[in-house]
Amino acid sequence: GNSVTQMEGPVTLSEEAFLTINCTYTATGYPSLFWYVQYPGEGLQLLLKATKADDKGSNKGFEATYRKETTSFHLEKGSVQVSDSAVYFCAANDYKLSFGAGTTVTVRA
Amino acid sequence: GAGVSQSPSNKVTEKGKDVELRCDPISGHTALYWYRQSLGQGLEFLIYFQGNSAPDKSGLPSDRFSAERTGGSVSTLTIQRTQQEDSAVYLCASSAQPADTQYFGPGTRLTVL
Repeated sequence: GNSVTQMEGPVTLSEEAFLTINCTYTATGYPSLFWYVQYPGEGLQLLLKATKADDKGSNKGFEATYRKETTSFHLEKGSVQVSDSAVYFCAANDYKLSFGAGTTVTVRA
Repeated sequence: GAGVSQSPSNKVTEKGKDVELRCDPISGHTALYWYRQSLGQGLEFLIYFQGNSAPDKSGLPSDRFSAERTGGSVSTLTIQRTQQEDSAVYLCASSAQPADTQYFGPGTRLTVL
């Protein structure tokens, strides 16, 4: 099966700072890759996805590019807001999701 | 449209009791999944249903856990003789087809005293 490793948190940033969360995967094939986000007190929401190599997923100012050569899917946002404070999960899908451990991000005003 | 719904949202039970957790997937989604989110183990896959095929039970942690999906729609996860280590948030997800994007319900928080 697949496995996913993502950057350990917690991460604390000031508003308008640049955010990057590293994610790498191991897989026998070419899984679809996802970032899910869990805001405080809420359920898991899809943030963005990429289904094949070199695809870029984007949403709400966040981006991640599926890099087959480095088996990575790093999440980036150029200017974070307080409302981006959440736990972020990287996941690989070959019908069941394999999740990373999650990265807690706190953005201070 | 309606998303994935789960009930109850919270369940407190005593050690040794049985519990049933319910999931209503998005209408028309053929694939249904159960995951568990706990502090020590993160997000773990439990079981997967696809249409009328035999479920993939490879993630169930013990034979105290079972699940069924009736009529290709609603699913029930049953935990028998609950233990304190079963305390977690149980998440249900559904997707239109296998390997498609999975959409998650709000979860059921289970506390075993």
